[in-house]
Amino acid sequence: GAVVSQHPSRVICKSGTSVKIECRSLDFQATTMFWYRQFPKKSLMLMATSNEGSKATYEQGVEKDKFLINHASLTLSTLTVTSAHPEDSSFYICSASKLAGGRDEQYFGPGTRLTVT
Amino acid sequence: QKEVEQNSGPLSVPEGAIASLNCTYSDRGSQSFFWYRQYSGKSPELIMFIYSNGDKEDGRFTAQLNKASQYVSLLIRDSQPSDSATYLCAVISGGGADGLTFGKGTHLIIQP
Repeated sequence: GAVVSQHPSRVICKSGTSVKIECRSLDFQATTMFWYRQFPKKSLMLMATSNEGSKATYEQGVEKDKFLINHASLTLSTLTVTSAHPEDSSFYICSASKLAGGRDEQYFGPGTRLTVT
Repeated sequence: QKEVEQNSGPLSVPEGAIASLNCTYSDRGSQSFFWYRQYSGKSPELIMFIYSNGDKEDGRFTAQLNKASQYVSLLIRDSQPSDSATYLCAVISGGGADGLTFGKGTHLIIQP
């Protein structure tokens, strides 16, 4: 199988604080990992693409200084939401691909629900 | 700008019938096409992917791709109440490394 985990599954934080979300591929090496965000009743929107050992590529409109992505190994990527605000409250989902560029099947994590109060 | 369009529904289908879900995409260079199922509050799970024109069958599911018309569909035969979910069409474009561009999803309801 191809299992992707995320931690935490749910987090509540105060406005102005930072939150780190981990995404791990448990039984395969993920060449590429992706971070998506989903607001209520909306579809998933790609935030950024990260390849192990290189800087993440951010989609237009996503602030790279606010959403810090680190892909330190082939099995771990982290997303840090810095100085979180209530409008950052969303469902954050990562996915991992075995092949570069994500052209293979992407395996999704279970998601992290962030609530900023 | 890459766009993936789906009818948001809800699409109501009686149990045992065929559910037909449709999707169009704007980027003619798109190469890979995926159908995901998403239950409320959960992350998407892959149903099928298709790369070539024509039909691809997997159990009760058939994906159909027509690149000339920029159209991809998903048929679900012998629909079951457990098939009730939101179905997301997703596309990967042709150039460079890219994540998935998702449609807004079609909410499918299978009526017992």
